[in-house]
Amino acid sequence: QKEVEQDPGPLSVPEGAIVSLNCTYSNSAFQYFMWYRQYSRKGPELLMYTYSSGNKEDGRFTAQVDKSSKYISLFIRDSQPSDSATYLCAIVSGGGADGLTFGKGTHLIIQP
Amino acid sequence: DVKVTQSSRYLVKRTGEKVFLECVQDMDHENMFWYRQDPGLGLRLIYFSYDVKMKEKGDIPEGYSVSREKKERFSLILESASTNQTSMYLCASSYFRQGTSGANVLTFGAGSRLTVL
Repeated sequence: QKEVEQDPGPLSVPEGAIVSLNCTYSNSAFQYFMWYRQYSRKGPELLMYTYSSGNKEDGRFTAQVDKSSKYISLFIRDSQPSDSATYLCAIVSGGGADGLTFGKGTHLIIQP
Repeated sequence: DVKVTQSSRYLVKRTGEKVFLECVQDMDHENMFWYRQDPGLGLRLIYFSYDVKMKEKGDIPEGYSVSREKKERFSLILESASTNQTSMYLCASSYFRQGTSGANVLTFGAGSRLTVL
């Protein structure tokens, strides 16, 4: 079963707030977990990816994976108006080149 | 940086027209993909290719065909455009090789917004 659930939002927060974006998935075979950011009228760009449970940090961004709960999160600290975008989780089940399932994306708005 | 270039950013076509969407990547990636993206439906895979002249159906191939004559170029063809094919079309490529470990990390183009009247 290829299914990834993601709240579409919009999620609106004030500048400087901590943002939490989440996805749940149903297939325990999923191996790699990614976050893409998509600005309006642009293609998605890879933000972060990880393959293990736990946290991975990159600047103001932290990706968290809980395989036992089948739950992944992206945290953004000190959010900026430039972080306003749609964030898509993507989960890889391995196997063929098509073994990638995207969430529908969460639209995030950071209010100045 | 890998670049995926989609030749047309915005197109307006009439119902029944044949439409070509072109995509070129410049980093020798094995795999290329065509997705469409619609509000509320997210990204849906139309076709992908893991080698020259190879193609595989994705989740929604009906009404589309593809061509990959050269490794760097992947074309999406709408044989007879219909209004329900109005959408944002995204091309992507990746280096992932089947049967190996590692993540299939996609690099996307900027998208082609197609309107069919």
